[in-house]
Formats: sequence, structure tokens, C-alpha cells
Amino acid sequence: DAGITQSPRHKVTETGTPVTLRCHQTENHRYMYWYRQDPGHGLRLIHYSYGVKDTDKGEVSDGYSVSRSKTEDFLLTLESATSSQTSVYFCAISESSAGGNTIYFGEGSWLTVV
Amino acid sequence: AQSVTQLDSQVPVFEEAPVELRCNYSSSVSVYLFWYVQYPNQGLQLLLKYLSGSTLVESINGFEAEFNKSQTSFHLRKPSVHISDTAEYFCAVSESDTGRRALTFGSGTRLQVQP
Repeated sequence: DAGITQSPRHKVTETGTPVTLRCHQTENHRYMYWYRQDPGHGLRLIHYSYGVKDTDKGEVSDGYSVSRSKTEDFLLTLESATSSQTSVYFCAISESSAGGNTIYFGEGSWLTVV
Repeated sequence: AQSVTQLDSQVPVFEEAPVELRCNYSSSVSVYLFWYVQYPNQGLQLLLKYLSGSTLVESINGFEAEFNKSQTSFHLRKPSVHISDTAEYFCAVSESDTGRRALTFGSGTRLQVQP
């Protein structure tokens, strides 16, 4: 358990509305990530953060923004949700060890855009 | 840029039979390699990882994977599967020399263990 909490866990929203997903971690990890999971695509990186106020884009960042004002919280915002953003969203952290870095995932947030 | 190919989208197998889930990767730099498992409607759990050292790595539930640098592969194996191993398995790679540390995933292999 890497101390990652995602909220909400399930959400149904209407097209065009803004949506914010929250990722909270309790172990002071510097690196945090947002991925989306879709059938046939595995997981794809949306955005990541390497520190407070330090964020960068992943491979599928269009339509998403992020913010990290505190070490423990990483927010993912869909400014105007579309049906193509119906997906399962996973937050992750990177944990450093003597051999290298390992990424651990939260339990996921199921988002349906109708 | 790195990429991961999981050659089989579904692998049906009978209980107590051996199984191999194939994973090949492409990268121009040194990599870390991972296998994650996902049970229905759950998150991803780390199954095993190769960071450095011995190229054969094992999990606590009997899976093993071998890093083969010359073939750029990291196949997952288990000598005897159980019904409870039914899940989706994801191979992933991250570049060890970059600061981003992000994972690139394969598209997943669904292991279906039949009685």
C-alpha cells in the first residue's frame, strides 16, 4: 500500500461540464502521475508532476489540465468533459529505492461522460 | 521513445498448466521492466520488477520473468496456474536514465484459467 487515495471513485457527468479528480498521497513522494486506461490501449500517461507546481504533459494530455499546490495532492481537471474522456483514471506515485524507481497505483476513478 | 508490445491479447489455459505471457520492448537507453496484474474492477498491483542485478525475478505467488537484453524481452511465466490467476497482466517499461520515471505500458494480456 503506497498510501494513495483517489476521489471520487465513481462519477457520472454530462458532456460539457468540468470535472476534477483528486489524488492524495501520504508518504511525501515527489513524483506523481495521472494515467487513463482504455480497452486495447493499456494505460496511457496524461500528465505527471515532479514537485510542487512542477508538472509536464504525457502522451494524451489534450483536454486535461493538472495542478499540484501541495506535495500530497495532485488534481486532474477536465475543463469540458467529452464522451471520449469516459475512462478509468489512475493516479500513481514513484518510489525510489537502492536499485531504482518503482511506480505504485491508486485504486482508480471510474468516470462516465454522458 | 520507448514502446512495449504484448503479443497476445488473450491467453486461455487450463488449471495447473504452465503459461507464458510474452512482452517485448523497444528503447534506446537502459530500462527498468515491470509486470502489473489487474483483477476485475480493481487497480493495478505490482507483480514483479527488474531494476538491476539478476535477470531472473520472481513474485511471491509463483510467477517469474527473465530480462533478456539481446532479445529485448521480459516474458512472464508460471509453471502451474490456478483459477485465481485469472486477471489482466500488463508489461511496462521506464527509462532508467531519465528524470521523468514514467511508465510506458503494453496493451495487456487477459489470462483466462479454465477448470
